[in-house]
Amino acid sequence: AQRVTQPEKLLSVFKGAPVELKCNYSYSGSPELFWYVQYSRQRLQLLLRHISRESIKGFTADLNKGETSFHLKKPFAQEEDSAMYYCALSGQGAQKLVFGQGTRLTINP
Amino acid sequence: DTGVSQNPRHKITKRGQNVTFRCDPISEHNRLYWYRQTLGQGPEFLTYFQNEAQLEKSRLLSDRFSAERPKGSFSTLEIQRTEQGDSAMYLCASSLLGTGTYEQYFGPGTRLTVT
Repeated sequence: AQRVTQPEKLLSVFKGAPVELKCNYSYSGSPELFWYVQYSRQRLQLLLRHISRESIKGFTADLNKGETSFHLKKPFAQEEDSAMYYCALSGQGAQKLVFGQGTRLTINP
Repeated sequence: DTGVSQNPRHKITKRGQNVTFRCDPISEHNRLYWYRQTLGQGPEFLTYFQNEAQLEKSRLLSDRFSAERPKGSFSTLEIQRTEQGDSAMYLCASSLLGTGTYEQYFGPGTRLTVT
């Protein structure tokens, strides 16, 4: 079964503190993993994907196949990072996305 | 073309009525997806098209739901005999198969309220 689990519905940290949003997945095969973000009153948009191994807005995520995890990290949180974050997976080749429940991140000043 | 557009943005209907939503993908995107999102949940896959062909349907898509993508351009999602449980945000996304990135671009969604 394909499943994405985000154990924290809410996460609140202070500005300048490190942030880690957890994501675990279940998939038989080699999935593609993504983080999507939704800022207030904006549409869902891609933040980063594991294939590209890039850092976007200071965020990184490493795919750990042994632990089946794809946690999102940022060393120093900024207020503009406050948003809803969704971890998602798909099979190879532009297939449907399976989303987690999402984590609402709040950065306190 | 400024991205995926969806109409209407909001729809309030009475139980038992039929509703139809429209999605206009990014030009030249050959894949189009429909998702449903209820409060406190992540989006759930409903169906997707490659050009005009409907390639996959979720078990969530009961026989009251039908989706089309004539001529491989815009898509419509129709819900017949709506039920209160159909109240949700309906999201459309599109992507371009063949570029290797497979990024799905989402529309703003249509919020359906069934009273």
